[in-house]
Order: sequence, then structure tokens, then C-alpha cells
Amino acid sequence: AQSVTQLGSHVSVSEGALVLLRCNYSSSVPPYLFWYVQYPNQGLQLLLKYTTGATLVKGINGFEAEFKKSETSFHLTKPSAHMSDAAEYFCAVSDQELTGGGNKLTFGTGTQLKVEL
Amino acid sequence: DTGVSQDPRHKITKRGQNVTFRCDPISEHNRLYWYRQTLGQGPEFLTYFQNEAQLEKSRLLSDRFSAERPKGSFSTLEIQRTEQGDSAMYLCASSYFISRTYNSPLHFGNGTRLTVT
Repeated sequence: AQSVTQLGSHVSVSEGALVLLRCNYSSSVPPYLFWYVQYPNQGLQLLLKYTTGATLVKGINGFEAEFKKSETSFHLTKPSAHMSDAAEYFCAVSDQELTGGGNKLTFGTGTQLKVEL
Repeated sequence: DTGVSQDPRHKITKRGQNVTFRCDPISEHNRLYWYRQTLGQGPEFLTYFQNEAQLEKSRLLSDRFSAERPKGSFSTLEIQRTEQGDSAMYLCASSYFISRTYNSPLHFGNGTRLTVT
């Protein structure tokens, strides 16, 4: 079974400060990893994904994440936070091999990001 | 491309009633997924279709839940004899699948929020 653990259900940063949201995964097969953002009363929007290849992945809105197999981590970062980044962020893992590319995602419990002036 | 559309946005029902939700995926997408999200949690996989075939159902999907995608386009999710524990956000997503080596990321709708009183 696959799982992801997001450390910190709430993270607060000042505008302009570094954003670091932590995600650790567990998978018996090579994982595909994703970060999604959810604004209130809306669905999830894909920020970035890791499948194969380059371990540093760049996404939308200035976010990036690095896949570290040795640490089983896929932390999300952004150099400078903006007020509009305030939202809930979900890390997710997919077992592409086992589900034949079904892309069935297993999500973490989410991290609420607050950006303060 | 108008994105994934879900109807209704909100549904309040009394315990024991039946409810049905509709999802219209992105038109060229052949895979459609249903997820459930409760407060403070990440989305949980319920089921998915490739065209009209339902390929997988989660153990979370009790006998009271049924999903259909009769013509491989829109899908419906019906909950019979609703219980208070069914209160959640029901999210639909779609993707374009070609093979194990290519499956587009999931695109989510804005969800249907169900409240069972």
C-alpha cells in the first residue's frame, strides 16, 4: 500500500519568506508524486508532478519540489511567499505500475498555508 | 475546454433519502474518477471509469453507493439511504489515458458538498 505523510497541518509564513511544505511517501514501487492546491470551496489544481527523470520539478506559480529517494521525500518550496499562496496544499502518490496507469491517487491530509503581512 | 463540471454544488438532504450527483468531464478525457473529501482530510478514492467501464471500486464504496457512466461521457454518483457519515465533498476528476507510459494528470471539478441532516 502507498501512503503520504504531510508534516504540519498548518504552516504560517510572512509575505516574501520561504515556503517549505513537507511530504514523505511510502511506496513499494517507484512512485509518481504530485502536489495539488485547493482554495476554499473549490476543487484541486495541480501544481507539479514527478514521474521519472529530473528530480527537481518546477511547477506553476513559482513552486518547485525535489524528489529525494534516499529520504523518501518530496517537499514543496517557493522562495518568496505571496498573499495569494494562502490555501491548502495536498501531496499525493500514485502507483502507476500497479494500476496500469490508472492514476489513482492517495492523498495526504493536507497542509493549510497562511501568509501574513 | 470548460473544465470538469459538477452539479449540484451543494446538496442538503435528510437522513434516509437518496441523492444523485452528476459530473461532466473534460470532453476528450476518457477516464473519470470519483473522490470523497471530509473536513480536514485529503480526498479519498472511490471509483474510476475508463470510457463506460467501471475499472475499480474502493472498499469505501459501500453497497449504498453506485456510480455509472453509461455513454462514456458524463457520470452519476448515487447514494441511497443517506447517513450522516456521508456528509462530505464529492469530487470528480478526469484524465486522458493512452497507456501505462502516458496518462495526463487528473483535472478536478469544484465538487458537490453533501450535508445529511
